[in-house]
Amino acid sequence: DSGVTQTPKHLITATGQRVTLRCSPRSGDLSVYWYQQSLDQGLQFLIQYYNGEERAKGNILERFSAQQFPDLHSELNLSSLELGDSALYFCASSVALARGETQYFGPGTRLLVL
Amino acid sequence: AQSVTQLDSHVSVSEGTPVLLRCNYSSSYSPSLFWYVQHPNKGLQLLLKYTSAATLVKGINGFEAEFKKSETSFHLTKPSAHMSDAAEYFCVVSDHLGGTYKYIFGTGTRLKVLA
Repeated sequence: DSGVTQTPKHLITATGQRVTLRCSPRSGDLSVYWYQQSLDQGLQFLIQYYNGEERAKGNILERFSAQQFPDLHSELNLSSLELGDSALYFCASSVALARGETQYFGPGTRLLVL
Repeated sequence: AQSVTQLDSHVSVSEGTPVLLRCNYSSSYSPSLFWYVQHPNKGLQLLLKYTSAATLVKGINGFEAEFKKSETSFHLTKPSAHMSDAAEYFCVVSDHLGGTYKYIFGTGTRLKVLA
């Protein structure tokens, strides 16, 4: 158990809908990262937050947004969902932003868009 | 930009035989490198990491990796495979990006362990 929690574990929804994925980092970790894992794209970095502020963006679509709240939990919002958004979404956390910092991953949320 | 290349998408070994999962990296400076394991329907778990200390890094579950700058490699090894080692393994490099660091993942190597 990494100490990172994600809810829900599974989510089934329809095209065009909007969903929110939630992540609670390990106690004491200030940085949160979101990743998407799919069969065709592999593991893709989406976005990073540090202590409430956005710090880096990766391959995140404009239909997706995220935020980190004062209690450091984070939410990833996915809107106007398409079939291709079906994937496993991981959240990770780390203490800080140093070069060799270890990221600890949650169990993921599996999203299925029908 | 930094990158990692995992040279094998699938590796099969017999239980009790050595494991070798290959990873080459590309970096303009001294990299931080990691190996993660993902068991089916699970999150990623850190096996080990290299951050410019000892070049031979020991990790959990008997795994180790050697950083070889001359070969730009960071191969993962284990002397004797166990059935529970069957999983997907990811080599990762930490890349500097606009004042912060992010992970760049390899494409993964799926390890199969035969009884």
